Amino acid sequence: QVHLVQSGAEVKRPGASVRVSCKASGYTFTNFPIHWVRQAPGQGLEWMGWINVGDGNTKSSQIFQDRLTITTDTSAATVYMELTSLRSEDTSIYYCARDLRVGGYSYGTFDSWGQGALVIVSS
Amino acid sequence: QSVLTQPPSLSGAPGQRVTISCTGSSSNIGAGYDVHWFQQLPGTAPKLLIYGSRRRPSGVPDRFSGSKSDTSASLAITGLQADDEGDYYCQSYDNSVSAPYVFGTGTKLTVL
Repeated sequence: QVHLVQSGAEVKRPGASVRVSCKASGYTFTNFPIHWVRQAPGQGLEWMGWINVGDGNTKSSQIFQDRLTITTDTSAATVYMELTSLRSEDTSIYYCARDLRVGGYSYGTFDSWGQGALVIVSS
Repeated sequence: QSVLTQPPSLSGAPGQRVTISCTGSSSNIGAGYDVHWFQQLPGTAPKLLIYGSRRRPSGVPDRFSGSKSDTSASLAITGLQADDEGDYYCQSYDNSVSAPYVFGTGTKLTVL
């Protein structure tokens, strides 16, 4: 059974950085890219970026410019999302989600999600 | 800034059928990209309901069905149940925006 378990809630000051982890289990970790999606309070879903865990390649939404870094530790089956220069508008629940792949084909969506990590940015 | 538009809210009585629309454009749904649907119950992570526009993941009841045509897609829910109440999002791929994976604006479904 696929499980994605994320780190806990964080409170950060504006200008600080936050790092959220996502530990995977129940499948071959290197076969499935991991995405990050966030949801501001009472708002919709926003795709942030993804990492191809197999080779470490990443792609991020241009909205985050150089503030977003996604990395992986394959030995720990864990993906990390770091967001820098935090502002109040970054207050959100941050989700990791597994890319849906069937027979190596990506459907361009997400089949398993972590429980979410609340990040509050406040002075 | 969502590029897929959904009705903000919808309601239905238990047992009824409801349909949630998702309107896109020529750079996403109209370009032939699949549409996917998520259910988000209060306080929980989104759950994949429909992928590939009309396929159901294992465990999703056949009360949920998806369709796609031109630049729009729909999620139909039949035999509405109280625990269907929540938020529903469509999602697709877009070849023109800064973030290629795009979500709909979301629809809050209320079961009367």
